[in-house]
Amino acid sequence: DADVTQTPRNRITKTGKRIMLECSQTKGHDRMYWYRQDPGLGLRLIYYSFDVKDINKGEISDGYSVSRQAQAKFSLSLESAIPNQTALYFCATSEPSGLAGTDTQYFGPGTRLTVL
Amino acid sequence: AQSVTQPDIHITVSEGASLELRCNYSYGATPYLFWYVQSPGQGLQLLLKYFSGDTLVQGIKGFEAEFKRSQSSFNLRKPSVHWSDAAEYFCAVVEGGNEKLTFGTGTRLTIIP
Repeated sequence: DADVTQTPRNRITKTGKRIMLECSQTKGHDRMYWYRQDPGLGLRLIYYSFDVKDINKGEISDGYSVSRQAQAKFSLSLESAIPNQTALYFCATSEPSGLAGTDTQYFGPGTRLTVL
Repeated sequence: AQSVTQPDIHITVSEGASLELRCNYSYGATPYLFWYVQSPGQGLQLLLKYFSGDTLVQGIKGFEAEFKRSQSSFNLRKPSVHWSDAAEYFCAVVEGGNEKLTFGTGTRLTIIP
């Protein structure tokens, strides 16, 4: 079984709908992240969480919210989806290493979201 | 602010040929540098990382990268590519103590027989 799973893998929705993307991990990591990938732009950080009670905004958090329900679960919500949120979304996890900033991140397979 | 540039959007290489993917960063102090690979339909996987010490870093799948401070570069190399290396490759940087990855825009690698 995969260590980091994302559901759904694909989703098509309409403008204005509320959407939730879910991420679960069995790696036992405290840190979890949400990224979006757009062609030609690489990956950009939306939100991250270093433990269950910690939530931080990333580079592009506007229009998104998150919930860290447990150590193993981190959900991303789009309260009112818009077409420019069409992208590939990745969840990742990591465990703090001895030197801050050198964590290896482990990625899920991604969720392809299309907003019509 | 830290940034990372991958000047090549797409590279095509023959199977068995050598490979070099370019990555340049802008950051005043020594950055922490990473290379990730994204195979088709999959998430990203770490190939290697550099944060101190020997400037030539060995990674998985036969890849290596060299940190060159004078050129602000961290290029990824492989002496002989295999068809299974076809993927998208991302360079990423962390500003020391920041703990957030900044990714480059990626280089897509195509392997021809």
